[in-house]
Amino acid sequence: DIVMTQTPLSSPVTLGQPASISCRSSQSLVHSDGNTYLSWLQQRPGQPPRLLIHRISNRFSGVPDRVSGSGAGTDFTLKISRVEAEDVGVYYCMQATQFPFTFGQGTRLEIK
Amino acid sequence: QVQLQQSGPGLVKPSQTLSLTCVISGDSVSSDSVAWSWIRQSPSRGLEWLGRTYYRSKWYIDYAVSVKSRVIINPDTSKNQFSLQLSSVTPEDTAVYYCAREGAPSGTYSRGAFDIWGQGTVVTVSS
Repeated sequence: DIVMTQTPLSSPVTLGQPASISCRSSQSLVHSDGNTYLSWLQQRPGQPPRLLIHRISNRFSGVPDRVSGSGAGTDFTLKISRVEAEDVGVYYCMQATQFPFTFGQGTRLEIK
Repeated sequence: QVQLQQSGPGLVKPSQTLSLTCVISGDSVSSDSVAWSWIRQSPSRGLEWLGRTYYRSKWYIDYAVSVKSRVIINPDTSKNQFSLQLSSVTPEDTAVYYCAREGAPSGTYSRGAFDIWGQGTVVTVSS
């Protein structure tokens, strides 16, 4: 299985300041079709995960443009340019290049 | 607006079979541009993808190797739903179970783009 490793596991951030989460995969996530199937999800307390980004950098409908994804191969990053209160939650990266789909362990974003 | 409504028991005895259903509204289980998955979440194992079903001129089903010998995912076109059966459960199968759609957020199917989720079902395996 592809192992997804996120850093940091916890990120206290001041409102209005940027936040960054890294995700590293144990193998390249480039699929044989040429795409890289790396997604980012946010989970707020008591709710199911919510899609933020798919295929590295494609923002899902309704996701503010201060949220962005980047990366290639085995190294990926989620950035929030200016953290707002609604950004609190746990963030997961997920790969769907190879079966089984696997998730990172999660990064908790909290307000200082 | 697409919605997924989950149902099933919250308590299952060890060695028995866990059965959950996910009813789809606003989309079709037979849609050829999406796929339908089951995912579970527990403190010890985190988020774990269990398997999926989808239709592309015929039905396909993919399972995670970790549960392949115990899991069945079935589409039901007459009720527009899909189900999960996990047999021979142990306390390690205690988790929140989610159904989810792998959608087409940019107009075409995007592998792993879980854009719609069910509300989650807390399943406890205990005697």
